[in-house]
Amino acid sequence: NAGVTQTPKFRILKIGQSMTLQCTQDMNHNYMYWYRQDPGMGLKLIYYSVGAGITDKGEVPNGYNVSRSTTEDFPLRLELAAPSQTSVYFCATGPGVGWYGGNIGELFFGEGSRLTVL
Amino acid sequence: TQLLEQSPQFLSIQEGENLTVYCNSSSVFSSLQWYRQEPGEGPVLLVTVVTGGEVKKLKRLTFQFGDARKDSSLHITAAQPGDTGLYLCAGAVDNNNDMRFGAGTRLTVKP
Repeated sequence: NAGVTQTPKFRILKIGQSMTLQCTQDMNHNYMYWYRQDPGMGLKLIYYSVGAGITDKGEVPNGYNVSRSTTEDFPLRLELAAPSQTSVYFCATGPGVGWYGGNIGELFFGEGSRLTVL
Repeated sequence: TQLLEQSPQFLSIQEGENLTVYCNSSSVFSSLQWYRQEPGEGPVLLVTVVTGGEVKKLKRLTFQFGDARKDSSLHITAAQPGDTGLYLCAGAVDNNNDMRFGAGTRLTVKP
């Protein structure tokens, strides 16, 4: 049981290149999220999905795209990479309903993908 | 403007001291969560608070949810070096599905 798996763990890109960060979960969670974390800072929400075929923008979606064709996978695409996208990217999943019956519940995070754009 | 404002941003204390960190917002939350993150890892959930005025204890950590469900605090008693890390609060407004995080409080406990 791997939980949330992110690949690659490290990547260096040149300005203008494109790449996809992969996120796969085996927890059968409906909710999936992509966050970025700049050095010494908290997490900013890029995109999220409440189920296969459904995606929504978060706080900082510009320069990114996502898709959700299956429950398990939620890839994050960077088009035309810029130095401002240098960050650590975290994928997270959640059951969508907490123990208290409310929305979201606990989020489970991957180990992160460290991206540098030069 | 951050939806969730955390203070202080940095805190460095000696082992054995007590401390309180805060998470404030002008918005009402159906629940708030506290996570702890260590270097090179993703955040890990500590607690979820749901009811206004609720107090939850996790060993030496005490979490409180404000009566109006707009703020929360985390109090650590007799801090230990193992408590060192980034403490993040998180919540979703109006039962929306986007979970937002504060900028965090980076705690260092010196032996």
